[in-house]
Amino acid sequence: QVQLQESGPGLVKPSDTLSLTCAVSGYSISSSNWWGWIRQPPGKGLEWIGYIYHSGTTYYNPSLKSRVIMSVDTSKNQFSLKLSSVTAVDTAVYFCARRRDLAFDIWGQGTMVTVSS
Amino acid sequence: DIQMTQSPSSLSASVGDRVTITCRASQTISVFLNWYQQKPGKAPKLLIHSASSLDSGVPSRFSGTGSGTDFSLTISSLLPEDFATYYCQQSNSSPWTFGQGTRVEV
Repeated sequence: QVQLQESGPGLVKPSDTLSLTCAVSGYSISSSNWWGWIRQPPGKGLEWIGYIYHSGTTYYNPSLKSRVIMSVDTSKNQFSLKLSSVTAVDTAVYFCARRRDLAFDIWGQGTMVTVSS
Repeated sequence: DIQMTQSPSSLSASVGDRVTITCRASQTISVFLNWYQQKPGKAPKLLIHSASSLDSGVPSRFSGTGSGTDFSLTISSLLPEDFATYYCQQSNSSPWTFGQGTRVEV
């Protein structure tokens, strides 16, 4: 079955760049889907970060757009997130997900990222 | 941005109860509304897309209605595994936005 798995450092220093990767298994990332990132600060709600197509086309949340870069590696069947100039407010669980039509139908388990010195 | 407001923020219920959660959009979103269930420490799970379409494998006790700005999620008869937090999410326009969540607890 389709599975997504996030990976990356769990601790990032303030002003540094957060880098995460989402490995997709059981499904080709080059299929007709977009691939997204969503985050959830501890005890709070969900925030859409953006999504990317296998061609590299991206859409970002305007509130984060100046700091976000998403990329896709079709040869490794994975996609990535970079968030620059992080502060404590970027501390959250980061989820990757598959977008099917206009919903996120399959999610990774999530990875906690803490921004702290 | 389109603001999504859920009510109530939390509710207490018992097994077998009928539960309804509402979601209101700050502007019309047609039927571009999804519902997710999230349990502690887990990823959200898609329950309903396009306001009323049950996702594959989701039990029929879940149902969704609405269009425009007002939507609802109903659980017809609550089971123990349904105690969780529920989120609505609009996909009518970017940025996609979520409601603040409704916690269903015992």
